[in-house]
Amino acid sequence: NAGVMQNPRHLVRRRGQEARLRCSPMKGHSHVYWYRQLPEEGLKFMVYLQKENIIDESGMPKERFSAEFPKEGPSILRIQQVVRGDSAAYFCASSPRTSGFYEQYFGPGTRLTVT
Amino acid sequence: TQLLEQSPQFLSIQEGENLTVYCNSSSVFSSLQWYRQEPGEGPVLLVTVVTGGEVKKLKRLTFQFGDARKDSSLHITAAQPGDTGLYLCAGANAGGTSYGKLTFGQGTILTVHP
Repeated sequence: NAGVMQNPRHLVRRRGQEARLRCSPMKGHSHVYWYRQLPEEGLKFMVYLQKENIIDESGMPKERFSAEFPKEGPSILRIQQVVRGDSAAYFCASSPRTSGFYEQYFGPGTRLTVT
Repeated sequence: TQLLEQSPQFLSIQEGENLTVYCNSSSVFSSLQWYRQEPGEGPVLLVTVVTGGEVKKLKRLTFQFGDARKDSSLHITAAQPGDTGLYLCAGANAGGTSYGKLTFGQGTILTVHP
C-alpha cells in the first residue's frame, strides 16, 4: 500500500513565479491536510480539504495561496508570485476518517526554494 | 489559539541512557500523536493516544497521555543511536471545522551518541 506521495520533492522558483505542489493521498483516504515547516519553526497547519471541498483554510495566507482537491487527481497547493519568505518545506498528510482518531500520514514533503 | 509546548528542545545523550520528552498544553485535546522526523523526510507516525491516562508502549518507547488530556510524555529506555531524530507531538480536536487539524509542538531534537 503506497504511502502519501508528493511531487516534486524539490522545487526552485524565482521571485514572482508560480509554484504548484502536488499530493496524492494514501489509497482509501479522502481527507487531505497541508502543513508548512519554515526554517527554525515547527509544522503549521495551512488547509484541510476533502474531495472537491475546502473544509478549513484558516492557516493559509489570504493572498497568493490556494488549494484544491478535485474529484479526480491529486490535491494541489498553488502559490502565486512567490516571495523569498515562501521558502519552506510543505507537507501533505492524509487521513481516512473524521471521527474518533485523527491519525494523519505524512508525505515526504516538497522543499520550495525561492531565489 | 491552542499551543503545545515541547521540552526539552534539544537533548544529547549517550547510548544506553534513558530520556523523557514532555508535551504540555493549557488546552484539552481529543487525541495526541507522536511523530518522528528524519532530515529531508516527512514526519512518521509513532503512536496515537486518545484516552486520558492512557499508556502505550512501542518496544523501548513508552507514551503517556495525561489524565486531563492536556499533556503527554515520551520515554525512551536504553536509547540507541538509531533513535536520533526530531520528535514531534501533535494534538487534534474533534468537532467543528477544525476537526483533524493538528497543532504541533516545536519538536525535540534528540542525538544519541555511540
